[in-house]
Amino acid sequence: DTAVSQTPKYLVTQMGNDKSIKCEQNLGHDTMYWYKQDSKKFLKIMFSYNNKELIINETVPNRFSPKSPDKAHLNLHINSLELGDSAVYFCASSQRTANTEAFFGQGTRLTVV
Amino acid sequence: KQEVTQIPAALSVPEGENLVLNCSFTDSAIYNLQWFRQDPGKGLTSLLLIQSSQREQTSGRLNASLDKSSGRSTLYIAASQPGDSATYLCAVQQQNYKLSFGAGTTVTVRA
Repeated sequence: DTAVSQTPKYLVTQMGNDKSIKCEQNLGHDTMYWYKQDSKKFLKIMFSYNNKELIINETVPNRFSPKSPDKAHLNLHINSLELGDSAVYFCASSQRTANTEAFFGQGTRLTVV
Repeated sequence: KQEVTQIPAALSVPEGENLVLNCSFTDSAIYNLQWFRQDPGKGLTSLLLIQSSQREQTSGRLNASLDKSSGRSTLYIAASQPGDSATYLCAVQQQNYKLSFGAGTTVTVRA
């Protein structure tokens, strides 16, 4: 019974395409995140939603648009994909209190060719 | 801006040796610090969370310390096993609830 699940696990697509990654958590958490892990394995936050409201929006190209239909789901849509978007994207969730663990999904490896 | 540094970047030890992984952060205004494990091609697994008011946290063979004022944490893994081979990531949670990560320490435990 996966706590944070992402789909798809792998995504290979051509430059210029539009793609979406879906994320769902069954932990009852009120906050969800998208992180990007680059080729050097460095994890950097992209977005965070709390109860469907955007609370963190780091410097990310506006080709990336998160959508949270409810607090258990946070999807990531990417328009006009570029080679530099190739990375592993992780969804995470936590409760918006100071001392709760964050739980991560298994990641989506996006390869743009 | 919070910066998190992990030293060393890689570590190789024989089985049975104790592991010491270091993490430092520049802004001491944190809520907590988490240590994660990442296996190749996998997601992150939370190992330990230390609240900002705590000095250490233990789970089995793992012990993590936190010195918030000096911006440092250390993860100790006792009696290492080949199954401990992975990348260990340190992350600090700040007052906007985001986690800032270090680049990780890749550990190899040789049988």
